[in-house]
Amino acid sequence: QQQVKQSPQSLIVQKGGISIINCAYENTAFDYFPWYQQFPGKGPALLIAIRPDVSEKKEGRFTISFNKSAKQFSLHIMDSQPGDSATYFCAAGRGSTLGRLYFGRGTQLTVWP
Amino acid sequence: DGGITQSPKYLFRKEGQNVTLSCEQNLNHDAMYWYRQDPGQGLRLIYYSQIVNDFQKGDIAEGYSVSREKKESFPLTVTSAQKNPTAFYLCASSKEVKRGYTFGSGTRLTVV
Repeated sequence: QQQVKQSPQSLIVQKGGISIINCAYENTAFDYFPWYQQFPGKGPALLIAIRPDVSEKKEGRFTISFNKSAKQFSLHIMDSQPGDSATYFCAAGRGSTLGRLYFGRGTQLTVWP
Repeated sequence: DGGITQSPKYLFRKEGQNVTLSCEQNLNHDAMYWYRQDPGQGLRLIYYSQIVNDFQKGDIAEGYSVSREKKESFPLTVTSAQKNPTAFYLCASSKEVKRGYTFGSGTRLTVV
Protein backbone atom coordinates (compact mmCIF):
# COMPACT_ATOMS: atom_id res chain seq x y z
CA GLN A 1 0.00 0.00 0.00
CA GLN A 2 1.39 3.36 -1.01
CA GLN A 3 1.95 5.41 2.14
CA VAL A 4 2.26 8.77 0.36
CA LYS A 5 0.33 9.68 -2.78
CA GLN A 6 1.49 12.61 -4.89
CA SER A 7 -0.19 14.50 -7.72
CA PRO A 8 0.08 15.59 -10.43
CA GLN A 9 2.72 13.42 -12.09
CA SER A 10 3.72 16.32 -14.33
CA LEU A 11 3.03 20.03 -14.28
CA ILE A 12 3.64 22.78 -16.82
CA VAL A 13 3.51 26.38 -15.60
CA GLN A 14 4.26 29.69 -17.24
CA LYS A 15 7.01 31.85 -15.79
CA GLY A 16 5.61 33.97 -12.98
CA GLY A 17 2.76 31.59 -12.28
CA ILE A 18 2.02 29.50 -9.19
CA SER A 19 2.97 25.81 -9.13
CA ILE A 20 0.97 23.59 -6.77
CA ILE A 21 1.82 19.99 -5.94
CA ASN A 22 -0.34 17.92 -3.61
CA CYS A 23 0.36 14.96 -1.35
CA ALA A 24 -1.73 12.75 0.91
CA TYR A 25 -0.53 10.33 3.56
CA GLU A 26 -2.02 7.37 5.39
CA ASN A 27 -0.23 6.92 8.69
CA THR A 28 -1.33 9.31 11.46
CA ALA A 29 1.92 8.57 13.31
CA PHE A 30 3.86 10.54 10.71
CA ASP A 31 5.04 13.87 12.09
CA TYR A 32 7.63 15.09 9.62
CA PHE A 33 6.80 16.13 6.05
CA PRO A 34 9.69 17.25 3.81
CA TRP A 35 9.85 18.22 0.17
CA TYR A 36 12.85 17.39 -2.00
CA GLN A 37 13.94 18.94 -5.29
CA GLN A 38 15.87 16.93 -7.86
CA PHE A 39 17.59 18.15 -11.02
CA PRO A 40 18.41 15.67 -13.83
CA GLY A 41 21.35 13.43 -13.05
CA LYS A 42 21.61 14.65 -9.45
CA GLY A 43 20.45 13.41 -6.08
CA PRO A 44 17.43 15.01 -4.42
CA ALA A 45 18.07 17.93 -2.08
CA LEU A 46 15.94 18.96 0.89
CA LEU A 47 13.87 22.01 -0.06
CA ILE A 48 11.55 22.68 2.87
CA ALA A 49 9.89 20.65 5.63
CA ILE A 50 6.99 21.03 8.06
CA ARG A 51 5.84 19.50 11.34
CA PRO A 52 2.10 18.96 12.00
CA ASP A 53 1.90 21.55 14.78
CA VAL A 54 1.79 24.34 12.16
CA SER A 55 -0.52 24.74 9.17
CA GLU A 56 1.86 26.65 6.92
CA LYS A 57 5.58 27.24 6.49
CA LYS A 58 7.12 29.68 4.07
CA GLU A 59 10.70 29.96 2.84
CA GLY A 60 11.16 32.53 0.11
CA ARG A 61 8.95 31.59 -2.85
CA PHE A 62 8.23 28.10 -1.44
CA THR A 63 5.33 27.43 0.94
CA ILE A 64 4.08 24.21 2.49
CA SER A 65 0.41 24.08 3.49
CA PHE A 66 -0.57 21.32 5.90
CA ASN A 67 -4.06 19.97 6.69
CA LYS A 68 -3.80 17.47 9.54
CA SER A 69 -7.48 16.47 9.58
CA ALA A 70 -7.45 15.69 5.86
CA LYS A 71 -3.97 14.10 6.04
CA GLN A 72 -2.84 16.27 3.15
CA PHE A 73 -0.04 18.70 2.47
CA SER A 74 0.98 20.71 -0.53
CA LEU A 75 3.88 22.69 -1.97
CA HIS A 76 3.23 26.08 -3.53
CA ILE A 77 5.91 27.74 -5.64
CA MET A 78 5.12 31.41 -6.14
CA ASP A 79 6.45 33.39 -9.09
CA SER A 80 7.71 30.17 -10.71
CA GLN A 81 10.96 30.52 -12.65
CA PRO A 82 12.56 28.37 -15.39
CA GLY A 83 15.27 27.47 -12.85
CA ASP A 84 12.57 25.80 -10.74
CA SER A 85 12.12 23.17 -13.48
CA ALA A 86 12.91 19.93 -11.67
CA THR A 87 11.30 16.86 -10.13
CA TYR A 88 9.74 17.41 -6.72
CA PHE A 89 9.14 14.67 -4.18
CA CYS A 90 7.04 14.88 -1.05
CA ALA A 91 7.77 12.53 1.81
CA ALA A 92 6.50 11.61 5.26
CA GLY A 93 7.94 9.87 8.28
CA ARG A 94 8.32 9.79 12.02
CA GLY A 95 10.78 12.55 12.78
CA SER A 96 12.11 11.38 16.12
CA THR A 97 13.55 8.14 14.82
CA LEU A 98 16.37 6.77 12.72
CA GLY A 99 13.77 5.06 10.57
CA ARG A 100 12.73 5.79 7.04
CA LEU A 101 10.89 8.32 4.98
CA TYR A 102 8.11 7.31 2.61
CA PHE A 103 8.30 9.17 -0.69
CA GLY A 104 5.65 10.12 -3.20
CA ARG A 105 6.25 9.19 -6.85
CA GLY A 106 7.36 12.67 -7.81
CA THR A 107 6.12 15.57 -9.92
CA GLN A 108 8.06 16.76 -12.94
CA LEU A 109 7.69 20.55 -13.07
CA THR A 110 8.42 22.49 -16.24
CA VAL A 111 8.34 26.29 -16.13
CA TRP A 112 8.13 27.92 -19.56
CA PRO A 113 9.84 31.27 -20.01
CA ASP B 1 33.20 19.85 3.65
CA GLY B 2 31.07 16.92 4.76
CA GLY B 3 29.09 14.99 2.25
CA ILE B 4 28.08 11.69 0.80
CA THR B 5 29.98 10.19 -2.13
CA GLN B 6 28.72 7.58 -4.55
CA SER B 7 30.97 5.92 -7.05
CA PRO B 8 31.16 5.34 -9.88
CA LYS B 9 28.75 7.79 -11.53
CA TYR B 10 28.13 5.41 -14.46
CA LEU B 11 28.49 1.64 -14.40
CA PHE B 12 28.02 -0.91 -17.15
CA ARG B 13 27.81 -4.64 -16.51
CA LYS B 14 26.94 -7.74 -18.45
CA GLU B 15 23.82 -9.64 -17.53
CA GLY B 16 24.48 -12.32 -14.92
CA GLN B 17 27.32 -10.49 -13.19
CA ASN B 18 27.17 -9.17 -9.65
CA VAL B 19 28.14 -5.53 -9.21
CA THR B 20 28.85 -3.46 -6.09
CA LEU B 21 27.99 0.22 -5.77
CA SER B 22 29.95 2.31 -3.30
CA CYS B 23 28.53 4.83 -0.81
CA GLU B 24 30.68 6.71 1.69
CA GLN B 25 29.70 9.55 4.05
CA ASN B 26 31.74 11.77 6.36
CA LEU B 27 28.76 13.46 8.01
CA ASN B 28 28.85 11.23 11.11
CA HIS B 29 25.31 10.13 10.31
CA ASP B 30 24.05 6.98 11.97
CA ALA B 31 21.49 5.93 9.36
CA MET B 32 22.15 5.14 5.70
CA TYR B 33 19.76 4.22 2.91
CA TRP B 34 19.73 2.84 -0.64
CA TYR B 35 17.01 3.89 -3.06
CA ARG B 36 16.31 2.90 -6.62
CA GLN B 37 14.81 5.44 -9.01
CA ASP B 38 12.98 4.52 -12.21
CA PRO B 39 10.96 6.95 -14.38
CA GLY B 40 7.46 7.39 -12.97
CA GLN B 41 8.21 5.13 -9.98
CA GLY B 42 9.65 7.68 -7.60
CA LEU B 43 12.14 6.61 -4.96
CA ARG B 44 11.84 3.02 -3.81
CA LEU B 45 13.70 1.88 -0.71
CA ILE B 46 15.99 -1.13 -1.14
CA TYR B 47 17.75 -1.43 2.23
CA TYR B 48 18.54 0.81 5.17
CA SER B 49 20.82 0.65 8.18
CA GLN B 50 20.42 2.45 11.48
CA ILE B 51 23.61 1.20 13.09
CA VAL B 52 26.82 -0.60 12.21
CA ASN B 53 26.43 -4.35 11.56
CA ASP B 54 22.65 -4.08 11.30
CA PHE B 55 20.33 -3.38 8.36
CA GLN B 56 16.70 -3.83 7.35
CA LYS B 57 15.02 -4.72 4.09
CA GLY B 58 13.10 -2.01 2.35
CA ASP B 59 10.28 -2.38 -0.15
CA ILE B 60 12.26 -3.95 -3.03
CA ALA B 61 15.15 -5.86 -1.39
CA GLU B 62 14.97 -8.97 -3.59
CA GLY B 63 18.10 -9.39 -5.70
CA TYR B 64 20.15 -6.94 -3.62
CA SER B 65 22.49 -7.28 -0.65
CA VAL B 66 24.24 -4.79 1.65
CA SER B 67 26.77 -4.63 4.44
CA ARG B 68 27.49 -2.06 7.14
CA GLU B 69 30.90 -2.84 8.61
CA LYS B 70 31.80 0.81 9.17
CA LYS B 71 29.65 3.80 10.09
CA GLU B 72 30.91 5.68 7.04
CA SER B 73 30.27 3.02 4.41
CA PHE B 74 27.18 1.23 3.10
CA PRO B 75 27.93 -0.65 -0.16
CA LEU B 76 25.12 -2.15 -2.24
CA THR B 77 25.59 -5.32 -4.29
CA VAL B 78 23.24 -5.88 -7.20
CA THR B 79 23.19 -9.62 -7.72
CA SER B 80 22.40 -11.65 -10.80
CA ALA B 81 19.07 -12.52 -9.14
CA GLN B 82 17.82 -8.97 -9.66
CA LYS B 83 15.58 -9.30 -12.73
CA ASN B 84 15.72 -5.73 -13.97
CA PRO B 85 18.80 -4.02 -12.50
CA THR B 86 19.17 -1.14 -14.95
CA ALA B 87 18.27 1.97 -12.93
CA PHE B 88 19.53 5.07 -11.13
CA TYR B 89 20.67 4.20 -7.61
CA LEU B 90 20.74 6.76 -4.82
CA CYS B 91 22.40 6.50 -1.44
CA ALA B 92 21.36 8.74 1.47
CA SER B 93 22.27 9.28 5.09
CA SER B 94 20.60 10.88 8.08
CA LYS B 95 21.37 11.83 11.68
CA GLU B 96 17.67 11.40 12.43
CA VAL B 97 14.62 11.55 10.20
CA LYS B 98 13.48 15.03 11.31
CA ARG B 99 16.77 16.51 10.13
CA GLY B 100 16.17 15.17 6.64
CA TYR B 101 18.23 13.02 4.37
CA THR B 102 21.42 13.96 2.56
CA PHE B 103 21.56 12.23 -0.81
CA GLY B 104 24.56 11.33 -2.92
CA SER B 105 24.70 12.22 -6.60
CA GLY B 106 23.74 8.71 -7.67
CA THR B 107 25.08 5.85 -9.76
CA ARG B 108 23.48 5.00 -13.08
CA LEU B 109 23.76 1.27 -13.63
CA THR B 110 23.21 -0.21 -17.07
CA VAL B 111 23.13 -3.96 -17.51
CA VAL B 112 23.48 -5.23 -21.06
